Amino acid sequence: DAGITQSPRYKITETGRQVTLMCHQTWSHSYMFWYRQDLGHGLRLIYYSAAADITDKGEVPDGYVVSRSKTENFPLTLESATRSQTSVYFCASSEGAIQFFGPGTRLTVL
Amino acid sequence: AQRVTQPEKLLSVFKGAPVELKCNYSYSGSPELFWYVQYSRQRLQLLLRHISRESIKGFTADLNKGETSFHLKKPFAQEEDSAMYYCALTGYNQGGKLIFGQGTELSVKP
Repeated sequence: DAGITQSPRYKITETGRQVTLMCHQTWSHSYMFWYRQDLGHGLRLIYYSAAADITDKGEVPDGYVVSRSKTENFPLTLESATRSQTSVYFCASSEGAIQFFGPGTRLTVL
Repeated sequence: AQRVTQPEKLLSVFKGAPVELKCNYSYSGSPELFWYVQYSRQRLQLLLRHISRESIKGFTADLNKGETSFHLKKPFAQEEDSAMYYCALTGYNQGGKLIFGQGTELSVKP
């Protein structure tokens, strides 16, 4: 099924390690987004991208890095993972106002 | 400040009872409002947007600009409605971004 996919779906890592979460969409949507979902906080925007090579910070960007060299891919990197980055991460894409979400990556940082 | 508030973290009702999930917003301008739903362990998906004025799965939501609210209603709740519901808004100056509320977990008991 084409659409938006994320990998890995589950990841366990240790404090201080670098982790990259992948997001791929097949619709050629211009916009892509990364959110984290935490109990009590709902969905918070980490980074977003309006097009290839254009990225901008969201609400909670600290400790994360993104890139977008191709329209279809929007990887999110945790440069040095911390326990507070344990969360469920969702990628989304859009061309208009409606965002389409990936299945999520459950990340645990020990 | 632009904000979406969902005052209830958890709403528990019995099957067949009416349900109303509250959403209030703060936005300078004319926002576009949405309800997204996340069933257990699944991705978020769009349920409603205010401009379409549709009824999806028996749910309706009316934008009340005077009260700055966009409450989600269903006259007779079903067990399969149990899920996490997020209210979200966007506007012309949001650059494609959505502002999400904290989410309300709806539990429909048999």
